[in-house]
Amino acid sequence: AQSVSQHNHHVILSEAASLELGCNYSYGGTVNLFWYVQYPGQHLQLLLKYFSGDPLVKGIKGFEAEFIKSKFSFNLRKPSVQWSDTAEYFCAVNNRAGGFKTIFGAGTRLFVKA
Amino acid sequence: DGGITQSPKYLFRKEGQNVTLSCEQNLNHDAMYWYRQDPGQGLRLIYYSQIVNDFQKGDIAEGYSVSREKKESFPLTVTSAQKNPTAFYLCASSIAGENTGELFFGEGSRLTVL
Repeated sequence: AQSVSQHNHHVILSEAASLELGCNYSYGGTVNLFWYVQYPGQHLQLLLKYFSGDPLVKGIKGFEAEFIKSKFSFNLRKPSVQWSDTAEYFCAVNNRAGGFKTIFGAGTRLFVKA
Repeated sequence: DGGITQSPKYLFRKEGQNVTLSCEQNLNHDAMYWYRQDPGQGLRLIYYSQIVNDFQKGDIAEGYSVSREKKESFPLTVTSAQKNPTAFYLCASSIAGENTGELFFGEGSRLTVL
């Protein structure tokens, strides 16, 4: 079965620390990859996406993600987190073989200490 | 403003009752989705529809039903057959086909079964 795995369920960081959230997927073939973010009290919104081309993708608020096809990974990074980055982050994948349905990981709750 | 409207925001029901959650979009998107969000499990796909009058089961369709009679609307019925219906339900839409998967979400409906 197709699946998306996020390595950490909870992460606590101090402001200015670097962030890396892991994401691996089990799909074969061509995939579209996404990171979504859910800030407290807000609805889910897109952080960044990868369809093709440069495997290093830049998104909003200084986030970036790198697609490594050989590792089936799409890790999210930010060099220096802020208190306002406290949120839940979801990795998501879809592909043609899966009928373009989007499957999400379990999410990672990030808490940034001021 | 374009977007997705879910209603009601909060809903309580007694065991054995069916309940229908509304989802309307004015983004002119062909594809619509229903997800269920539970703590620590991320978003799990219930049903999705790529076009009017057609829909497919997601990973956890048992105990749920949908219809797609209009492009703008994709209501979800939680039936009495759903064994654990208390959850947060999210509706989303996207363009259909390749290079899709960027989902636009509603604010969600929280269902509590008493």
